[in-house]
Amino acid sequence: EVQLVQSGAEVKKPGESLKISCKGSGYRFTSYWIGWVRQMPGKGLEWMGLIYPGDSETRYSPSFQGQVTISADKSISTAYLQWSSLKASDTAMYYCARLDSGLDVWGQGTTVTVSS
Amino acid sequence: EIVLTQSPGTLSLSPGERATLSCRASQSVSSYLAWYQQKPGQTPRLLIYGASGRATGIPVRFSGSGSGADFTLTISRLEPEDFAVYYCQQYGSSPYTFGQGTKLEIK
Repeated sequence: EVQLVQSGAEVKKPGESLKISCKGSGYRFTSYWIGWVRQMPGKGLEWMGLIYPGDSETRYSPSFQGQVTISADKSISTAYLQWSSLKASDTAMYYCARLDSGLDVWGQGTTVTVSS
Repeated sequence: EIVLTQSPGTLSLSPGERATLSCRASQSVSSYLAWYQQKPGQTPRLLIYGASGRATGIPVRFSGSGSGADFTLTISRLEPEDFAVYYCQQYGSSPYTFGQGTKLEIK
């Protein structure tokens, strides 16, 4: 079964760092782009960027460039999304998804709560 | 960056009726357009890819059409489980932007 499994919910304070993960299985992880999508509470889907695990080529949405870092470790079929200094406005659900003529496989989502 | 505008924002219909949702791009995306369904508390689900291809397991009552900058998602006869929020997304030009969504609610 093709699936993406994300790391668990996080509760952090403003200014803290965070790295969440997305582990692929059931397919060749290095052959498909992985995208990251943000959904703030009660809001729509926002495209953050994507990575090609085969060579780690990364493309960011201008809205998120410099705000997050997308990376991957192909040896363990895992993609990452990280922040160096969280803000309250980073509170959201974050999804990873495989890109194959649309986002055909989604992770279950990781809830990130940033509060003092 | 390509902007996708979905209309209407909210669509109120009854089960059994036909639903027509629109997605307009600020420039051509060819046929690199996908539609997703999201129910409350659930992960988005891919319905349509390549503007008109039905994803695996998607019922035939869902169909997509269009190319270039104007696209439509049609649900031929609404079932109770179809009431949800629908998003379009273009993947022809990075960043792969989403529309703001159309909420399909029961009338």
